[in-house]
Amino acid sequence: EVQLVESGGGLVQPGRSLRLSCAASGFKFEDYGMHWVRQAPGKGLEWVSGINWNSDTVDYADSVKGRFTISRDNANNSLHLQMNSLRSEDTAFYYCTKETGDTWGQGTLVTVSS
Amino acid sequence: IQLTQSPSSLSASVGDRITITCRASQSISIFLNWYQQIPGKAPKLLIYAASSLQSGVPSRFSGSGAGTDFTLTISGLQPEDFATYYCQQSYSALWTFGQGTKVEVK
Repeated sequence: EVQLVESGGGLVQPGRSLRLSCAASGFKFEDYGMHWVRQAPGKGLEWVSGINWNSDTVDYADSVKGRFTISRDNANNSLHLQMNSLRSEDTAFYYCTKETGDTWGQGTLVTVSS
Repeated sequence: IQLTQSPSSLSASVGDRITITCRASQSISIFLNWYQQIPGKAPKLLIYAASSLQSGVPSRFSGSGAGTDFTLTISGLQPEDFATYYCQQSYSALWTFGQGTKVEVK
């Protein structure tokens, strides 16, 4: 079964850091670019970051550029998002997804609040 | 690349035919996907490459368009179709999503 499972979300104070992970299974992870997409409670979908198959190319939304870092470990079929200098507006469910858009994780909630 | 969906919400009845539009701020060829999202769930891919039906998705869903103008049509709305729908472009590596269209029960 093709599956993505996010972890690492939680409650964090403004200015602090958090690292999200996404475990992939059921497909050849190294063949696909991967993305992070977030959704603030009651709001629409917002693309956050993407990485190509071999990590040569990474991209970020302006809202997170300079604060978030995407990375991947093809040997361990995992995707990561290092989030620094967190702000209240980063509060959202964070989803990882394949570049094809056909597989999404269940999401992990990040709440930034004092 | 900005995507503008319309309407932002609509009310419909079971059996209705509905159409949602998505307009891109520049040409994106056919690099346009449509998703359905039910509250509390991850988005589900319905249509990829503007008009290709994702495996397992009922044939009442269809997509059309190219360039800057796209449509999602549901022919014969079913109870499980009341949800929010998003378009998304992958022409640019910096994906963007439309703001969503909520389909509600009339």
